[in-house]
Amino acid sequence: GIQVEQSPPDLILQEGANSTLRCNFSDSVNNLQWFHQNPWGQLINLFYIPSGTKQNGRLSATTVATERYSLLYISSSQTTDSGVYFCAVGMNYGGSQGNLIFGKGTKLSVKP
Amino acid sequence: DAEITQSPRHKITETGRQVTLACHQTWNHNNMFWYRQDLGHGLRLIHYSYGVQDTNKGEVSDGYSVSRSNTEDLPLTLESAASSQTSVYFCASSRRVGSEAFFGQGTRLTVV
Repeated sequence: GIQVEQSPPDLILQEGANSTLRCNFSDSVNNLQWFHQNPWGQLINLFYIPSGTKQNGRLSATTVATERYSLLYISSSQTTDSGVYFCAVGMNYGGSQGNLIFGKGTKLSVKP
Repeated sequence: DAEITQSPRHKITETGRQVTLACHQTWNHNNMFWYRQDLGHGLRLIHYSYGVQDTNKGEVSDGYSVSRSNTEDLPLTLESAASSQTSVYFCASSRRVGSEAFFGQGTRLTVV
């Protein structure tokens, strides 16, 4: 099946710093989403981005589907950005096209 | 507002008991999913459904079953709960293959 690898696994930042999280995937996808899991365990949708670039406030994401990677940028980080960031992809073919396959996540800690 | 809700949010049960976790969505989405989240494994797919009367096994389906009798609900049943099924369970839904998926708030299940 498709492999989803996220890097780095852990990241510690000082408040105000910028960061880039990476998601590599091993096959053609019809869906790519970035989620933030907050300290209460809730999965928050950040971006639905199977291709192209999107921005939402301090966060932006880029997916280059032909090269099988996606990047999540966090600028001017805040302590509320702490948590785990997941990348999830859906395969572009096969009987299970609708399913999301998750990476293992990047754990971000933002220090005041 | 349309939403996806899980119940209960927390449950403790004994080994060998049958347990059912509820998932209800009001978006009229065709696709519904159940995942479990464990430390070191990320989110793994248990079962999924692409429509009424359609159910399929995911990566970790042993010991679980689902049924889809209407569009809104996909209950997850643990036939005979085991300690290995202690986990956080997430339900999700999406309109169609490749479209954005949305997650419920999760159910923390402890099997003692």
